[in-house]
Amino acid sequence: DVKVTQSSRYLVKRTGEKVFLECVQDMDHENMFWYRQDPGLGLRLIYFSYDVKMKEKGDIPEGYSVSREKKERFSLILESASTNQTSMYLCASQGRSPYEQYFGPGTRLTVT
Amino acid sequence: GQNIDQPTEMTATEGAIVQINCTYQTSGFNGLFWYQQHAGEAPTFLSYNVLDGLEEKGRFSSFLSRSKGYSYLLLKELQMKDSASYLCAVRDESNYQLIWGAGTKLIIKP
Repeated sequence: DVKVTQSSRYLVKRTGEKVFLECVQDMDHENMFWYRQDPGLGLRLIYFSYDVKMKEKGDIPEGYSVSREKKERFSLILESASTNQTSMYLCASQGRSPYEQYFGPGTRLTVT
Repeated sequence: GQNIDQPTEMTATEGAIVQINCTYQTSGFNGLFWYQQHAGEAPTFLSYNVLDGLEEKGRFSSFLSRSKGYSYLLLKELQMKDSASYLCAVRDESNYQLIWGAGTKLIIKP
């Protein structure tokens, strides 16, 4: 079974803090993704990575950065957290054909 | 532009059958996925269609018509545990990204 883990299930941070969200997968997948999910908006792609040290912006990259130093680990960084970044953050790892995505349990981040 | 439409919410009765529709308009198409997401949990993969027709997996079936840009997820013999959101997603030409619908919240009543 594919396992995708995220560093925290719940996180509360203050405005202006730097926030690190970490994601680890154990299936040697090349492609990994960070999404945020808000009610009524569905999943929105923040960044994805198709190889170590390779990254591409998704639909809503502003205010975020990412790091992929090792194949199994993909980190999302909020440089200076703001209240509009309060959301559920989901990491996904993409398998080989048919390229389905496997999700971690999610991190519910609250910025106060 | 890229667009995927699903109903926001549906209600059905335990033991019945429900069909959740998804229509899409995307610049490319390399397959359509259905995911199930229980409240507070991560989405889990249910089904994948790349060719026209019906794919059956136990109580769940998924249908695709590429010419119509249309898919549906059919759930039979509904159980209370089927109460969840159902997300439709289309894989674009890149093989990397999925374009996601907003999801359909399915409420099952006894």
